[in-house]
Amino acid sequence: DTEVTQTPKHLVMGMTNKKSLKCEQHMGHRAMYWYKQKAKKPPELMFVYSYEKLSINESVPSRFSPECPNSSLLNLHLHALQPEDSALYLCASSQDDGGREIYFGEGSWLTVV
Amino acid sequence: SQQGEEDPQALSIQEGENATMNCSYKTSINNLQWYRQNSGRGLVHLILIRSNEREKHSGRLRVTLDTSKKSSSLLITASRAADTASYFCATEGNTPLVFGKGTRLSVIA
Repeated sequence: DTEVTQTPKHLVMGMTNKKSLKCEQHMGHRAMYWYKQKAKKPPELMFVYSYEKLSINESVPSRFSPECPNSSLLNLHLHALQPEDSALYLCASSQDDGGREIYFGEGSWLTVV
Repeated sequence: SQQGEEDPQALSIQEGENATMNCSYKTSINNLQWYRQNSGRGLVHLILIRSNEREKHSGRLRVTLDTSKKSSSLLITASRAADTASYFCATEGNTPLVFGKGTRLSVIA
């Protein structure tokens, strides 16, 4: 099973809302990632969790708050977002955080209104 | 930055033809990976080539890596309409995967 599951697939939220994106994998992977992708652009790394600890934060604004409750789950909490934050948010996982294939979920389409 | 730069940005070919995409990067890497993305979908891992490897094959895919030129190529042989997608190279070195801008491939039946 090489599947990374993301929910919801689509989310529309207002700038004052609080919402969360969820990601789950059952491949026993110990590294999990959040990427952001705007239309016709490459994915950009946001956060990396390695063995359930945040190892990389690519200077992401604090209105994005990641959480790794356990080795299978990764959340991205959203608060006070801006319209320019509208994008496809991709979760991914890999066996560890060095030199391994990364498996992506289908993404969550976020629209901020 | 390690970001790869794909060339060409867009490629349109007939079904059955071969498609070649190139990727150049700027700094030393541990590995280079190629991914495919269908419109609006997640990325699918295609192949990983390590810095000490020069060529890898997987089915109809052939990847080469020239670390002296900091470049890689992806060849898709006997293309099919289902190969229509965006293809990204991604490099891994001191930081996790950094993606290039991608090549949009259209295979016309």
